[in-house]
Amino acid sequence: AQTVTQSQPEMSVQEAETVTLSCTYDTSESDYYLFWYKQPPSRQMILVIRQEAYKQQNATENRFSVNFQKAAKSFSLKISDSQLGDAAMYFCAYRSWAGTSGSRLTFGEGTQLTVNP
Amino acid sequence: DTEVTQTPKHLVMGMTNKKSLKCEQHMGHRAMYWYKQKAKKPPELMFVYSYEKLSINESVPSRFSPECPNSSLLNLHLHALQPEDSALYLCASSPLGGDNLQPQHFGDGTRLSIL
Repeated sequence: AQTVTQSQPEMSVQEAETVTLSCTYDTSESDYYLFWYKQPPSRQMILVIRQEAYKQQNATENRFSVNFQKAAKSFSLKISDSQLGDAAMYFCAYRSWAGTSGSRLTFGEGTQLTVNP
Repeated sequence: DTEVTQTPKHLVMGMTNKKSLKCEQHMGHRAMYWYKQKAKKPPELMFVYSYEKLSINESVPSRFSPECPNSSLLNLHLHALQPEDSALYLCASSPLGGDNLQPQHFGDGTRLSIL
């Protein structure tokens, strides 16, 4: 079974600064997908960024980027120019082949990010 | 705007009540999910429907009964719940086949409190 570990239960960052959230995972699969979701107090899980394991190029979405190290099984999220609206719980998630049975997501325990003005 | 709509947003019920949670999506997704989430914890998968058929049941107690009447609608029927069932219940949907990078889209959840 796959496991996802987020070693930082809480992180804080000053507005406009950069912060990196860590995520490691354990799997024996070679083909899989990785995601970062954020969950603000409004409760909705919002996709931040996604990465295919077979792609060596790190994914980027505006101020959000990942450092994907497949051999090390590491998938960290970097948030640049942090904004107050980035404050949320961030979950790293792993998904193996979707097929026809629906795609099971394995979540890490989450990192609560606080953005200080 | 949320593309996955869940109703009600809040629900308070007694342990002997019967109630239902509803989830609707119109994105043409053929996989739909129910998750349970406790405070400050990640979502826990409960059920997965693929092409309107139950494909995954994560050993959920029978007091939770899912139903998928059509490709857009997912219900969760609740009966004789326990206080420990109080949680946020999230619905999600995703495409099946094709681009496997397609993520799950989540609703805002139903906050359930059992008295």
